[in-house]
Amino acid sequence: DQQVKQNSPSLSVQEGRISILNCDYTNSMFDYFLWYKKYPAEGPTFLISISSIKDKNEDGRFTVFLNKSAKHLSLHIVPSQPGDSAVYFCAAMDSAGGTSYGKLTFGQGTILTVHP
Amino acid sequence: DGGITQSPKYLFRKEGQNVTLSCEQNLNHDAMYWYRQDPGQGLRLIYYSQIVNDFQKGDIAEGYSVSREKKESFPLTVTSAQKNPTAFYLCASSIDEASNQPQHFGDGTRLSIL
Repeated sequence: DQQVKQNSPSLSVQEGRISILNCDYTNSMFDYFLWYKKYPAEGPTFLISISSIKDKNEDGRFTVFLNKSAKHLSLHIVPSQPGDSAVYFCAAMDSAGGTSYGKLTFGQGTILTVHP
Repeated sequence: DGGITQSPKYLFRKEGQNVTLSCEQNLNHDAMYWYRQDPGQGLRLIYYSQIVNDFQKGDIAEGYSVSREKKESFPLTVTSAQKNPTAFYLCASSIDEASNQPQHFGDGTRLSIL
C-alpha cells in the first residue's frame, strides 16, 4: 500500500521556467512533509519541509504548498536551473504518535531534467 | 565538518555470506535509520534506532540485523537470509525521532551479489 505517491516519474523543463513536482498521500495522520533532492550515487539532500499547520513554506527558489483537504503537496522551483536536474522525493511523517511515529514514508521519486 | 559517513561505497557479496555496512555520524544525533532504495522506487525503511542500545524494525527488516552500541554508530548486517540484497543502502540520522527535524543522509553503499 503506497501511502505517498509521486505519479509523475519524470518532468522536463526549460531553464528559467517553473518546475512543479507533485505528491499525494493517503494517511491522514501525516502532519510533517519534506522534499529531498538526490543525485545519482549520492544520498538525498534535504530541501524544504512543511508542517500541517501551514499551507505554504518558501525558501529562496523553492516553495512547498500543502493542500490538506486534497492530501496533496507540491514543490515549485522558480526559476529552474540546469543544476536542479536530479531525482526529487517527497516524504511524510506522523510526528504525533501511532505506529508511524517518527518514521519517514517516501514517494517513488520524480526525475527532473532542466534543459539549458 | 559534521556529517554521516557510510562505508564502503561499493560492496560485493557472495551467495550465503553475511556483510556489514558501516554508518558513522558526528552530528550528535540521537536517532539513526537504515533505508534501502531499489530502481524506480522510493526509500524503504529497514531498521531505526531512537537511542543507544535500542532499535526497532522498519517495513522490510527481514534478512537484516543492526546494533546500536554507540551513539555515533549504527552498522547494518545483510544476512544470507536476505534473498534479494542487491540495492542501494542509505543511512540517515536526525536530532531525535520526535521532533519535526529532517533526517540527514549519508552517500550510500551499493551492494551487489557476485
